[in-house]
Amino acid sequence: GAGVSQSPRYKVAKRGQDVALRCDPISGHVSLFWYQQALGQGPEFLTYFQNEAQLDKSGLPSDRFFAERPEGSVSTLKIQRTQQEDSAVYLCASSLDLSSNTEAFFGQGTRLTVV
Amino acid sequence: GNSVTQMEGPVTLSEEAFLTINCTYTATGYPSLFWYVQYPGEGLQLLLKATKADDKGSNKGFEATYRKETTSFHLEKGSVQVSDSAVYFCALTSSGNTGKLIFGQGTTLQVKP
Repeated sequence: GAGVSQSPRYKVAKRGQDVALRCDPISGHVSLFWYQQALGQGPEFLTYFQNEAQLDKSGLPSDRFFAERPEGSVSTLKIQRTQQEDSAVYLCASSLDLSSNTEAFFGQGTRLTVV
Repeated sequence: GNSVTQMEGPVTLSEEAFLTINCTYTATGYPSLFWYVQYPGEGLQLLLKATKADDKGSNKGFEATYRKETTSFHLEKGSVQVSDSAVYFCALTSSGNTGKLIFGQGTTLQVKP
């Protein structure tokens, strides 16, 4: 079956513009995670869902960041009024459950550039 | 809080050389430890994992042993190939039931023929 799919792969936004990033997880995966990866750094946790419930959003850097997963499958990460420091690769990952040793499968990411 | 520290790269080796990428961690409780790899143009992939002290994870000739006494999870391979050129990330999940990964900053490996 298909892996985790993210779209768009690349997004250029003007400062102040709103953007929406989409993640299609592997079918049947309960858990979904969003990470932010700055250039030359490791991914940093943003938020995660168990089905449609957002259980932890402690990593979201500001109230301009919002994530949803209304039907427990596809998820959208929305960034309002983008700023230059939001430029990064946004990674989505899914896993079968929330166990701490379950493999997470990652998408290829969306590279956001704010100009 | 929990954190992971990796050796800085890039690491440049000749084909068939021995590889070590150091990784140390700080965590409360009993984390699970992982190595993820990112090949050029691809997404992160799990390379290997270990879930308790003294466990050894292995895959594709790579190995790493969970050392609680030194809080380390160093990645090793006896003979690298050009196709191993990639960015390697050490990561952990906390012992709580969340699956949230905490990553190191990544180490770039370049293998020359």
